[in-house]
Amino acid sequence: GAVVSQHPSRVICKSGTSVKIECRSLDFQATTMFWYRQFPKQSLMLMATSNEGSKATYEQGVEKDKFLINHASLTLSTLTVTSAHPEDSSFYICSARDDGTFDGAGGTPLHFGNGTRLTVT
Amino acid sequence: SQELEQSPQSLIVQEGKNLTINCTSSKTLYGLYWYKQKYGEGLIFLMMLQKGGEEKSHEKITAKLDEKKQQSSLHITASQPSHAGIYLCGADHFGNEKLTFGTGTRLTIIP
Repeated sequence: GAVVSQHPSRVICKSGTSVKIECRSLDFQATTMFWYRQFPKQSLMLMATSNEGSKATYEQGVEKDKFLINHASLTLSTLTVTSAHPEDSSFYICSARDDGTFDGAGGTPLHFGNGTRLTVT
Repeated sequence: SQELEQSPQSLIVQEGKNLTINCTSSKTLYGLYWYKQKYGEGLIFLMMLQKGGEEKSHEKITAKLDEKKQQSSLHITASQPSHAGIYLCGADHFGNEKLTFGTGTRLTIIP
């Protein structure tokens, strides 16, 4: 089945540094990818929609200069947490929409990565 | 904002018993997704529902979407330890796969 690879799975960085997280669709093309954040014991919150070849669209309250998104190819989106601070520590997870899947065909057009746990010290 | 309520927040069930998790939206849904997550890990896709009155089953898990497309239930029959985890419903309100997630249901299976 379709797989989304997210890397790294865990990262620890010092306050003030930047961290890049990759989300890669391994066997399908994804014009659209989504980035979510999950705080401990809370649900997933959509941060932004990543569109190949165009600017990402951010949800209300998400700082676009803080969370830089680049979707340069049909199989790769990256999220860079710039000047990270301890409050950015969270679980970040991406999902990718399979361009070749039809809705209701029995499967799902959406595939999630395994997430990245970011700890900022 | 699109509200999505999931209940119960936690559930402790004896192995072999049946259980139901509910997900209710304040707005009509385009689609409803059910996922299972182990804490701090990725999401395992369970089922996607799009049509009013639709029902899907996989192994011992059945998901239903009501006719009004605002409420969904996930039913597990004869629960097993492998069913333990966090169950999340995700609502697609506009057909753009931007999901709003419920707060999750933490399922514990006891012997």
